Amino acid sequence: QLVLTQSPSASASLGASVKLTCTLSSGHSSYAIAWHQQQPEKGPRYLMKLNSDGSHSKGDGIPDRFSGSSSGAERYLTISSLQSEDEADYYCQTWGTGIQVFGTGTKVTVL
Amino acid sequence: EVQLVESGGGLVKPGGSLRLSCAASGFTFSSYSMNWVRQAPGKGLEWVSSISSSSSYIYYADSVKGRFTISRDNAKNSLYLQMNSLRAEDTAVYYCARDRTANDYWGQGTLVTVSS
Repeated sequence: QLVLTQSPSASASLGASVKLTCTLSSGHSSYAIAWHQQQPEKGPRYLMKLNSDGSHSKGDGIPDRFSGSSSGAERYLTISSLQSEDEADYYCQTWGTGIQVFGTGTKVTVL
Repeated sequence: EVQLVESGGGLVKPGGSLRLSCAASGFTFSSYSMNWVRQAPGKGLEWVSSISSSSSYIYYADSVKGRFTISRDNAKNSLYLQMNSLRAEDTAVYYCARDRTANDYWGQGTLVTVSS
């Protein structure tokens, strides 16, 4: 079964970096994922598509502060130079034939 | 500029029906698969349904299979979701999103409330 696992929360200080993890279920370590940001009271915003080799393609207007990387079944989103507007929920998402799956989301707090 | 604008949400009684629409602009609508994704109050994102560019392939989450119908009109650049036999647990903001894989553009959402 295709499942994505995310930690419920993360925090870091203004100007620091934070690294979020999304783990693919057993047998699905080659899958690409997408990262989405959802600021409070707003709709989701696509950040990037991240492949198993760590290559990624970002959405329109996404700052260089957002980067992705991969290791085995884990997919990472690193946010550098944290800004107040980066305080949001971050969801990973993947897909298979006839299905899409979302992680449960990680709430990022900027201290 | 890519734009997706949902409409059609509202308050409906359990067992009732509602039809959501998503108007697309700024891209060649007929070239892309489209999706509906929902978010219950205070909860995470849940994929609902997908439709291929020519409507040849249609998929549903188990939670809505047999009750919801996705469709599209490429001449009108529009995506639809017909929701029947609505339940309280269908209460959510419904988003349309572009692309079979990464959902690279999202609408602002429309709220569906199922309550007596």
